[in-house]
Amino acid sequence: AQSVTQLGSHVSVSEGALVLLRCNYSSSVPPYLFWYVQYPNQGLQLLLKYTTGATLVKGINGFEAEFKKSETSFHLTKPSAHMSDAAEYFCAVSALGGATNKLIFGTGTLLAVQP
Amino acid sequence: ETGVTQSPTHLIKTRGQQVTLRCSSQSGHNTVSWYQQALGQGPQFIFQYYREEENGRGNFPPRFSGLQFPNYSSELNVNALELDDSALYLCASSSGTSGNNEQFFGPGTRLTVL
Repeated sequence: AQSVTQLGSHVSVSEGALVLLRCNYSSSVPPYLFWYVQYPNQGLQLLLKYTTGATLVKGINGFEAEFKKSETSFHLTKPSAHMSDAAEYFCAVSALGGATNKLIFGTGTLLAVQP
Repeated sequence: ETGVTQSPTHLIKTRGQQVTLRCSSQSGHNTVSWYQQALGQGPQFIFQYYREEENGRGNFPPRFSGLQFPNYSSELNVNALELDDSALYLCASSSGTSGNNEQFFGPGTRLTVL
């Protein structure tokens, strides 16, 4: 069985500050890991994904995440927050070799960026 | 390239009614997945269709059913609506069922059950 835990349902940072959104996963098989962003009244947009290979993954809009197997974590970071980063962020896991590519999502973290 | 589209955008129904939501997949995609996102929650997997066959199902009752058509568009049908069915319903398409096939999401249909 797979699951995702996102620590902190709400995170507030100042513009220009470091963004750190936490994600821990549980998976009995090697996982694929994803971060999605959701702006108000919109669908989900993929920020970045880890499948295999390099554990530091760079995504769109200056975001990156590092897969740490020993810590079962896939935290999302951005060095300097911008007002346009205010949105809800979801971490998700999919199973390597599964019959479907269904995504198991965390409960989300709402990021607020203060001027 | 046209992205994933969903219709309608918003829908209001009463308890006990039936509803049909529609999804057009991205060009070249043969796989469609449906998710339910309740307020304040992450999306929950309902089911997936691959080449017109159901390919997997989440923990949803049989009154949630679906179809996929030869052009790979899809419908989600919900019978005997309950208040808890109020949610954003997201459709996602992909070019296959492998875990590294990226899923592209539509904007969703907001269903309100009164």
